[in-house]
Amino acid sequence: AQSVTQPDIHITVSEGASLELRCNYSYGATPYLFWYVQSPGQGLQLLLKYFSGDTLVQGIKGFEAEFKRSQSSFNLRKPSVHWSDAAEYFCALGGGYQKVTFGIGTKLQVIP
Amino acid sequence: GAVVSQHPSWVICKSGTSVKIECRSLDFQATTMFWYRQFPKQSLMLMATSNEGSKATYEQGVEKDKFLINHASLTLSTLTVTSAHPEDSSFYICSAPREATGELFFGEGSRLTVL
Repeated sequence: AQSVTQPDIHITVSEGASLELRCNYSYGATPYLFWYVQSPGQGLQLLLKYFSGDTLVQGIKGFEAEFKRSQSSFNLRKPSVHWSDAAEYFCALGGGYQKVTFGIGTKLQVIP
Repeated sequence: GAVVSQHPSWVICKSGTSVKIECRSLDFQATTMFWYRQFPKQSLMLMATSNEGSKATYEQGVEKDKFLINHASLTLSTLTVTSAHPEDSSFYICSAPREATGELFFGEGSRLTVL
């Protein structure tokens, strides 16, 4: 069975500080991995995805994520957080014709 | 712009009534669509896979008679919450894969409140 773990339910960072959101997965084959962002009351927006190839993936809004097979991780990073980045972030596994399994989400709070 | 659209964005209904939510793929055909629900402060849980021209496949624990799914065309899937109750209040989101690329697109979501 596939699963996604986001260990941090809630994270607070100062504006301008760096950010890393953790994601670990369990899957029997090469995973398709995604990071989505959800603003309050809104749908999901895809930040980035990993299918294969370069393990460092660049996304929108200055986000990047690194796939580490040995650690079964796909952590999301941003060098300098903006107040508008406050939202909930979901790591997900699967996609396309496969079922997507979501992590529980990490709520990001940005303080001035 | 959005490539998958949901309607309505939000709906309030009385207990016992039925509510229909539409999910449309705007610029591509989707033989498969997925329906998720999200409880407050929780993650998205897959409810069912909608298959064009055939019956939907429901996840374990999801009542197929309560959550009716119809995928009548290659661009439209509908979720009908029948005899809604307050515990059905949730955020429902659909998604559809673009066959050419396999990329998955999500709708904006529909917030259902049952009084």
